[in-house]
Amino acid sequence: DAMVIQNPRYQVTQFGKPVTLSCSQTLNHNVMYWYQQKSSQAPKLLFHYYDKDFNNEADTPDNFQSRRPNTSFCFLDIRSPGLGDAAMYLCATSSALAGGWNEQFFGPGTRLTVL
Amino acid sequence: AQTVTQSQPEMSVQEAETVTLSCTYDTSENNYYLFWYKQPPSRQMILVIRQEAYKQQNATENRFSVNFQKAAKSFSLKISDSQLGDTAMYFCAFMTYTNAGKSTFGDGTTLTVKP
Repeated sequence: DAMVIQNPRYQVTQFGKPVTLSCSQTLNHNVMYWYQQKSSQAPKLLFHYYDKDFNNEADTPDNFQSRRPNTSFCFLDIRSPGLGDAAMYLCATSSALAGGWNEQFFGPGTRLTVL
Repeated sequence: AQTVTQSQPEMSVQEAETVTLSCTYDTSENNYYLFWYKQPPSRQMILVIRQEAYKQQNATENRFSVNFQKAAKSFSLKISDSQLGDTAMYFCAFMTYTNAGKSTFGDGTTLTVKP
C-alpha cells in the first residue's frame, strides 16, 4: 500500500544535541509538510517542500531546518533541541489535482523526548 | 488569513447513538476544501471526509456525513451508529485551492464513545 513512513517512531535526545527525523513516501506526491503537534493540540505547520522549493512558516524557529534530497524523502533537523521542542512531529504529503488538491496524507509521527 | 474554530473540546456519546461535531471557519476565499480528520489515540491521522465548497451536496462516507452551510461558514460532522473505534480526536481543516495545499486546522474535538 502507498504510504507515508516516519522513522524513528520514538526519539530521545539530550538538551542541545542535534537530532534528525526522517520521512519517506511511496505516494509520489510533490508536496511534503512537517508539523509539530503538542499534546491534544492542533498540528502546527513548520514548513513544506513544493517539489524542491522550500517554504518556511514565518514563526518557525531557526532551530528547525529541513532537507528534501529527492521526491521520496524529507528530513527534519533540530539543531539544538530545547525542552520546549518535545512533541510529536508529523510528516504529511499532498499533490495537486487538475484544478485543485488532494487531501493530506499523514505519517504515524515521531514522538520526540528531550532530556 | 483563514481561521478554523471547533467550539467543543470534548464530547462523549453512547455506542450506537448519533453525535455531531461542530466546526466554523472564516475566509474571504470562494473556492476551497474542508476536511474532517480523525486521530485515534497513538495512531496516525486519517481523512474521514472531504467537501469541496463549490458542491452544494453534503458529502457522506458510510456512517459519516457533513452539514455544510457555506453562507454561515459552518461545517459540522455527524457520526451515526457510533462505534467504540470512533473514539479519537477529530480535527476540522480548511484548504484553499492555492497555497500549495496547506491546511489550517482547528484545535480539535476529543470524542469518546462509551459502551
